[in-house]
Amino acid sequence: DVVLTQSPATLSVTPGERISLSCRASESVDTYLHWYQQKPNESPRLLIKYASQSISGIPSRFSGSGSGTDFTLSINGVELEDLSIYYCQQGNSLPFTFGSGTKLEIK
Amino acid sequence: EVQLVESGGGLVQPGRSLKLSCLASGFTFSNYGMNWIRQAPGKGLEWVASISSSSSYIYYADTVKGRFTISRDNAKNTLYLQMTSLRSEDTALYYCARQRSNNYYFDYWGQGVMVTVSS
Repeated sequence: DVVLTQSPATLSVTPGERISLSCRASESVDTYLHWYQQKPNESPRLLIKYASQSISGIPSRFSGSGSGTDFTLSINGVELEDLSIYYCQQGNSLPFTFGSGTKLEIK
Repeated sequence: EVQLVESGGGLVQPGRSLKLSCLASGFTFSNYGMNWIRQAPGKGLEWVASISSSSSYIYYADTVKGRFTISRDNAKNTLYLQMTSLRSEDTALYYCARQRSNNYYFDYWGQGVMVTVSS
């Protein structure tokens, strides 16, 4: 199974900061890497597909990059509403796997 | 508006069975693959099972293979998960999630239904 390792586990940030979250795969997943946001007590929401492709309705401050085994989710100007857990997910091979998540805390 | 509404959860004893349903609306259900994904209390996300639009392709996580069965009724716009031989480790919030055919990401999720396995 492809193991996705997300870092850091928790990130405490100040509104307005630009931040980067990491997702590293145990083997290459090409660009079949997707990002989700889960706000407290809500269902996950798709943020980025295929490593860097934007999703309709998602604010432009969210962007993704990477390929192979190293991926990054960036938030350019964190807002209070971004308080969430962020998960990466690979769709390159079965079983589809998720990272353990990065929890974003707002200072 | 795409909507996915799960039902059928509850408290069940270990070893017993339970069947979850997910009623879809707001899109052509028969054109999309569907999935079940679960989240144990305070934990991360775990993919459980996937079914293609015409039920031709079905996949399971090893943790549920042989115990869970995913199915769908396109005439009723409904996805199912039959769960048997339930264990305490199956306790989780179960989400149904839509996928575009041959694209293994999940673009819409339901609100989830809770399954608790306990004596």
